[in-house]
Amino acid sequence: KNQVEQSPQSLIILEGKNCTLQCNYTVSPFSNLRWYKQDTGRGPVSLTIMTFSENTKSNGRYTATLDADTKQSSLHITASQLSDSASYICVVLDSNYQLIWGAGTKLIIKP
Amino acid sequence: NAGVTQTPKFQVLKTGQSMTLQCAQDMNHNSMYWYRQDPGMGLRLIYYSASEGTTDKGEVPNGYNVSRLNKREFSLRLESAAPSQTSVYFCASSDYSPINEQFFGPGTRLTVL
Repeated sequence: KNQVEQSPQSLIILEGKNCTLQCNYTVSPFSNLRWYKQDTGRGPVSLTIMTFSENTKSNGRYTATLDADTKQSSLHITASQLSDSASYICVVLDSNYQLIWGAGTKLIIKP
Repeated sequence: NAGVTQTPKFQVLKTGQSMTLQCAQDMNHNSMYWYRQDPGMGLRLIYYSASEGTTDKGEVPNGYNVSRLNKREFSLRLESAAPSQTSVYFCASSDYSPINEQFFGPGTRLTVL
C-alpha cells in the first residue's frame, strides 16, 4: 500500500536554531513530492514541489531534498523563527495522480 | 483575490441532521477538491471535480454528496450526519489537475453530537 511516513511526530526547538524534518515514502512510481506548511486553524500552504529528477529545492529559509533511490525526503529549516511554528506535511503524487498525504510533523519554536 | 473561501467556519450538528458546506474559488481553476482532516492522520480525499460538470469519488466518499455548481463553486453535503463525520473539512482547487499545486481554503470545523 502506498504510504508516506513522517518523523518526528513533533519537535520543539529554540528560535534561531536549524532543524530537519524527515519523510519516507513507499509510493512508486511517483510524479512529484510536495511539502506543505499548515498553521494552526488554517489550510495547508505549499512550500515546495519537486519532481523525481530534482534533488533539492529552496524557498527562502526552507530547503527540501529528495533521494528517489532511497525514497526519502527532508525539509530543512534554517534560522527558525516563531512564525515557523506549524505542522509540516509531506505529500506524494503517485502515477495515478492521487495525492498520498503524510500525517505531518508538528514543529514548535520557543523564544 | 480571496483565493479559496469556505463557509461556515464552525458548525455543530446533531446526529441525523443535514448540512451543506460551501466552497468558492476566484483563481479560475478547473479542478476542485474536498478533504477531511482527522487528528494523527493525513488529509483524505472525499470527492473531487476535475472540471465543471464532473465529479468523482475519492478515498472516503460514503455519507457525502457533492455539487459542482459552476466553475467557481463546489459544495459538500452531509445528508444524515454521524459522529464519525466529526472532522475538519478543507476545500482546495488547482489548475487542471492534481499534478499542479493545490490551494486550500481555511477549513470548516464540524462537530456531530
